[in-house]
Amino acid sequence: QQQVKQSPQSLIVQKGGISIINCAYENTAFDYFPWYQQFPGKGPALLIAIRPDVSEKKEGRFTISFNKSAKQFSLHIMDSQPGDSATYFCAARNGAGNNRKLIWGLGTSLAVNP
Amino acid sequence: NAGVMQNPRHLVRRRGQEARLRCSPMKGHSHVYWYRQLPEEGLKFMVYLQKENIIDESGMPKERFSAEFPKEGPSILRIQQVVRGDSAAYFCASSPVGGSGANVLTFGAGSRLTVL
Repeated sequence: QQQVKQSPQSLIVQKGGISIINCAYENTAFDYFPWYQQFPGKGPALLIAIRPDVSEKKEGRFTISFNKSAKQFSLHIMDSQPGDSATYFCAARNGAGNNRKLIWGLGTSLAVNP
Repeated sequence: NAGVMQNPRHLVRRRGQEARLRCSPMKGHSHVYWYRQLPEEGLKFMVYLQKENIIDESGMPKERFSAEFPKEGPSILRIQQVVRGDSAAYFCASSPVGGSGANVLTFGAGSRLTVL
């Protein structure tokens, strides 16, 4: 059972375009939603994160849009660059209890063509 | 601050041998997580540990796999009697106890296990 569903599995975007990756969740106890970026041969690194009390968070060219009622959140990469080519993972954390384990999406492989 | 250090970066074992993967968390971090990643697949949670305690091992296979995070020294993921299906990249991540960074996982570069 995939608690965080991520789409698309792969994405090809032209340089300068907008990359959009979507995630959906079921558990309303989730209270923290990060996005991680992973380059080949490297470990994932935190890109940007949001809590459900805000609908949008922007850091440079990266924006998270959060829709609490629809239980969906998305990553938008504006002015996509070839250097953005990587695998992107969304995740969610259950705020209840002491277990800080993240629940992960299956990842989206992004390729930005020059 | 050297970040999360994993070693070895690459490990080759024959079927039936043991694999030991080590992870030194970031300075000041006392929570460690182990993940497994197969090619073209996502991160699969294995185990979450604090110093001397296993908090959540729901993702760890019941047989052949074990993990520890002793009071002194690195966290160790141990795989006994390895099989070809154990070939994967194993990532360790750490996080601090509390504060604004408590939710942020810092990952190591991974240990790539190949079972011949």
